[in-house]
Amino acid sequence: KQEVTQIPAALSVPEGENLVLNCSFTDSAIYNLQWFRQDPGKGLTSLLLIQSSQREQTSGRLNASLDKSSGRSTLYIAASQPGDSATYLCAVSSGANSKLTFGKGITLSVRP
Amino acid sequence: ETGVTQTPRHLVMGMTNKKSLKCEQHLGHNAMYWYKQSAKKPLELMFVYNFKEQTENNSVPSRFSPECPNSSHLFLHLHTLQPEDSALYLCASSLQVDNSPLHFGNGTRLTVT
Repeated sequence: KQEVTQIPAALSVPEGENLVLNCSFTDSAIYNLQWFRQDPGKGLTSLLLIQSSQREQTSGRLNASLDKSSGRSTLYIAASQPGDSATYLCAVSSGANSKLTFGKGITLSVRP
Repeated sequence: ETGVTQTPRHLVMGMTNKKSLKCEQHLGHNAMYWYKQSAKKPLELMFVYNFKEQTENNSVPSRFSPECPNSSHLFLHLHTLQPEDSALYLCASSLQVDNSPLHFGNGTRLTVT
């Protein structure tokens, strides 16, 4: 059974820092991995999707990498801003029609 | 505006009540999902519909009853719920059920008293 872990559960950084959010999964036979953002009281917004054949994806100040063999993904946020404060969730799927397995998320606070 | 609209945003119901959650997507997607998000727990998939047909029921108790009349609308009918069912219920859609990016609604915050 796939398990997804995100540590730490919460992180507080000053504005302007480059930071890395970690995600680990137990079964390396994944189909793809997604990173989501969730603002308080809102639904999830898809940030980046990495297929199993890819090593990384980039969108603006965000870069997500995938290392299947070690069961790890990282979300890199460059020059963090207070508006980046949110919960970031990682989710993996094990097949084309397989459900996503989510981590519990990392709650990020960027201090002005 | 997420393209996926959920109503109501908040719902308080007693254990003997019957209520329904509604989800509507305007994205032309063919797959729709119900997820449950409880405090301190990962998101849990409840149901998946593909072209109006239910393709997954993730061992959800029968007091939760989904309905998908067409590819744009999804309902979750609730009856005789328990306090532990209190959670944020999220609807999502995707172009296909092949893990193309999910688009989520803002959820219904349900409190069972």
